[in-house]
Amino acid sequence: NAGVTQTPKFQVLKTGQSMTLQCAQDMNHNSMYWYRQDPGMGLRLIYYSASEGTTDKGEVPNGYNVSRLNKREFSLRLESAAPSQTSVYFCASSHRGDNSPLHFGNGTRLTVT
Amino acid sequence: GQQLNQSPQSMFIQEGEDVSMNCTSSSIFNTWLWYKQDPGEGPVLLIALYKAGELTSNGRLTAQFGTTRKDSFLNISASIPSDVGIYFCAGQRAGTASKLTFGTGTRLQVTL
Repeated sequence: NAGVTQTPKFQVLKTGQSMTLQCAQDMNHNSMYWYRQDPGMGLRLIYYSASEGTTDKGEVPNGYNVSRLNKREFSLRLESAAPSQTSVYFCASSHRGDNSPLHFGNGTRLTVT
Repeated sequence: GQQLNQSPQSMFIQEGEDVSMNCTSSSIFNTWLWYKQDPGEGPVLLIALYKAGELTSNGRLTAQFGTTRKDSFLNISASIPSDVGIYFCAGQRAGTASKLTFGTGTRLQVTL
């Protein structure tokens, strides 16, 4: 049982390049999330998908797009990477609704030069 | 966006000591969660609190949901080296479908 799997684990991009971060969960969860983690800032929500077929903006959505490909997979795309997007990105999933704890992947460390 | 205030930001303690950390907010939450993050990994849920005044334990860890619903506390008794990591609190407001607001983290380091 892998839980939440993120790929790649590390990535270096040049300013202006694009890339897609992949996330898959095998827990049959309805909701999936993308967070970024920066030093001294805790975790901030970028986008989330409450259920298959829906996506919504979180706290810091600018510069990102997401796709809920199916119930298992939720991808995050950077169309034109900027140095300010250097961060550690975490995908998470949960059952639906309030009081459902999040289960996190192990993160993707992205550096934009 | 709002971040929860966690204190202390970091702490060094000796093995065997008890640890206390807290999390405060200007807003009311109806759920408080405590997560631990080990280096190179994602946060892992330690304790979930769903009711004001609730006190819940998980082994050597005890957490409390503050009566004002604006704060929460985590205690670790008799710390051991594997307690090292970053501890995050997270709060959830009613009707926000699992969207959490995270604290800035408390980095715990244990000396032998």
